[in-house]
Amino acid sequence: DAKTTQPPSMDCAEGRAANLPCNHSTISGNEYVYWYRQIHSQGPQYIIHGLKNNETNEMASLIITEDRKSSTLILPHATLRDTAVYYCIVRVSSGGSNYKLTFGKGTLLTVNP
Amino acid sequence: GAVVSQHPSRVICKSGTSVKIECRSLDFQATTMFWYRQFPKQSLMLMATSNEGSKATYEQGVEKDKFLINHASLTLSTLTVTSAHPEDSSFYICSANIPGGTEAFFGQGTRLTVV
Repeated sequence: DAKTTQPPSMDCAEGRAANLPCNHSTISGNEYVYWYRQIHSQGPQYIIHGLKNNETNEMASLIITEDRKSSTLILPHATLRDTAVYYCIVRVSSGGSNYKLTFGKGTLLTVNP
Repeated sequence: GAVVSQHPSRVICKSGTSVKIECRSLDFQATTMFWYRQFPKQSLMLMATSNEGSKATYEQGVEKDKFLINHASLTLSTLTVTSAHPEDSSFYICSANIPGGTEAFFGQGTRLTVV
């Protein structure tokens, strides 16, 4: 799986949009960009994923650059409960052992009141 | 969404004893489950892939005789930490995917403390 680079930490004011960047310059054509987050002392939680088109769900939006070498996760209105470590992972989306995930260090997002 | 449940959520055991952690997929069947370990202030590290009906596949550096994995049914995988030592104290997390699905679902994790 391609490696990713994320800033170690970011701060965001409550109610504002949080934009979390991720670089994945070695991504392959069949690799998806996945985002998970981990709130302290809990298991990771799936947020969103995409291949090349921008994606939006009830939690967040994912913006992928045209060359697919980077992406941005957007939390439109951050709340205190969004404080967590956010992991950007690129991987092939297929079954069996390919479901395993390789976690980097992620970005610690701190939402401040 | 799909639910993966781990039990116990927290366990304290004496050095030299064994501890079993259960991972269940509550509303779907999972032929493959994954076990991760996370030390304080570090990221998750994959330990092994649990395969229903066959032997688990361990990542490099993980002792298969120390971390016994059993995946006896399509909804249950167990991780047994044998002869636990204080350095095995960690946060253990399992995950599973719905067959044909694209995202992983994680258990809530098990905090193991070996004293």
